[in-house]
Amino acid sequence: NAGVTQTPKFQVLKTGQSMTLQCAQDMNHEYMSWYRQDPGMGLRLIHYSVGAGITDQGEVPNGYNVSRSTTEDFPLRLLSAAPSQTSVYFCASSYSTGTSPLHFGNGTRLTVT
Amino acid sequence: DAKTTQPTSMDCAEGRAANLPCNHSTISGNEYVYWYRQIHSQGPQYIIHGLKNNETNEMASLIITEDRKSSTLILPHATLRDTAVYYCIVARGGSNYKLTFGKGTLLTVNP
Repeated sequence: NAGVTQTPKFQVLKTGQSMTLQCAQDMNHEYMSWYRQDPGMGLRLIHYSVGAGITDQGEVPNGYNVSRSTTEDFPLRLLSAAPSQTSVYFCASSYSTGTSPLHFGNGTRLTVT
Repeated sequence: DAKTTQPTSMDCAEGRAANLPCNHSTISGNEYVYWYRQIHSQGPQYIIHGLKNNETNEMASLIITEDRKSSTLILPHATLRDTAVYYCIVARGGSNYKLTFGKGTLLTVNP
């Protein structure tokens, strides 16, 4: 049981480049979320999805796009990377039942130069 | 969602109980208290949650005061591997997928 898998683990981009951070879960979870974590900070919610075909914005959505075409996958797209997007990105998933715990991936460490 | 207040850091001796406090004085009746931890930049790990009754699982115990304005996470026998940042989060039932993580408490377990 792999849980939540994020790829790549590390990425360096130049300003203006685009890329997709991949997130996949094999637990048949309805809910999936993307967070970013900056040094010394807590996690901030970027986008989330409550099911295939449904996405919504979190606290810091600007500069990021998401889609949810399948239950398993929830990719995060950076259309034009900026240095302010240098961060560690975490994907999480959970069952839809009220208080089910979030399961996190191990993160993608992104540097934009 | 209600805001939480946690100490920035705490120390604990290995083998002793670690008691991590959290204040959530504006908590609403339908809001749960969740605890997560993050070990050295890994993804956060769920520990426990509760509404108003005390809860215990294989990892920890959660003690919630009767007025629900504060809670304490107890790690009964702390080990070096429990050194981590511990997050106390308050959120409504059904919003578990969009939890707000503050800065948490850095717990350092010393040998």
